[in-house]
Amino acid sequence: IVMTQSPVSLAVTPGEPASISCRSSQSLLYSNGYNYMDWYLQKPGQSPHLLIYLGSHRASGVPDRFSGSGSGTDFTLKISRVEAEDVGVYYCMQALQTPSTFGQGTRLEIK
Amino acid sequence: QVQLQESGPGLVKPSETLSLTCTVSGDSISNYFWSWIRQPPGQGLEWIAYIYNSGSTSYNPSLRSRVTISADTSKNQFSLKLTSVTAADTAVYYCVRNSHLGVQNSPRYFDYWGRGTLVTVSS
Repeated sequence: IVMTQSPVSLAVTPGEPASISCRSSQSLLYSNGYNYMDWYLQKPGQSPHLLIYLGSHRASGVPDRFSGSGSGTDFTLKISRVEAEDVGVYYCMQALQTPSTFGQGTRLEIK
Repeated sequence: QVQLQESGPGLVKPSETLSLTCTVSGDSISNYFWSWIRQPPGQGLEWIAYIYNSGSTSYNPSLRSRVTISADTSKNQFSLKLTSVTAADTAVYYCVRNSHLGVQNSPRYFDYWGRGTLVTVSS
């Protein structure tokens, strides 16, 4: 399954919202009602960390300004109010079909 | 707190075998699933393989013919071997815990990551 993210990069003013799109080449919605997609953030110089799992569930410790939505083939990660610490590269990943595959990443910068 | 630490040579010659070990603390590798993921410089992420129950394995088909993942429960370590390496295998290699599986037993929920180790393939 090919995961395509857009935009490739975006620059956001602190306090403003941001939105990242991820489209999969096949539906990630399984018969149990779950969308098998995670979102990860890789901050500069760090390992990635989990933000969102099963499309819309925030991982432990993730601020509530992050939210995931969408179903089937179209998904969105939204940051309600961007903070300086949110800079980095965001990746979506599908886990419906093996092997799990990642999008190419979206770089978020601060204006 | 779960911690993972990769170790191994940072430079491997073309056609030789890349060998890495991940030492886990704060959890037993008998629990959950334990993966290797790599990231070529400036590029995205690629899942390589995972191991669970200290011996059951799953591989990315694109690398399966060259990869072996194994575990040593006495040392709470798991390892990666990648044979016949080329420059395309140059990457930061991460060891990662994935706590859950998706459909088709695909790995997901990568919740603990090592810091990563850069392996360069060059003569």
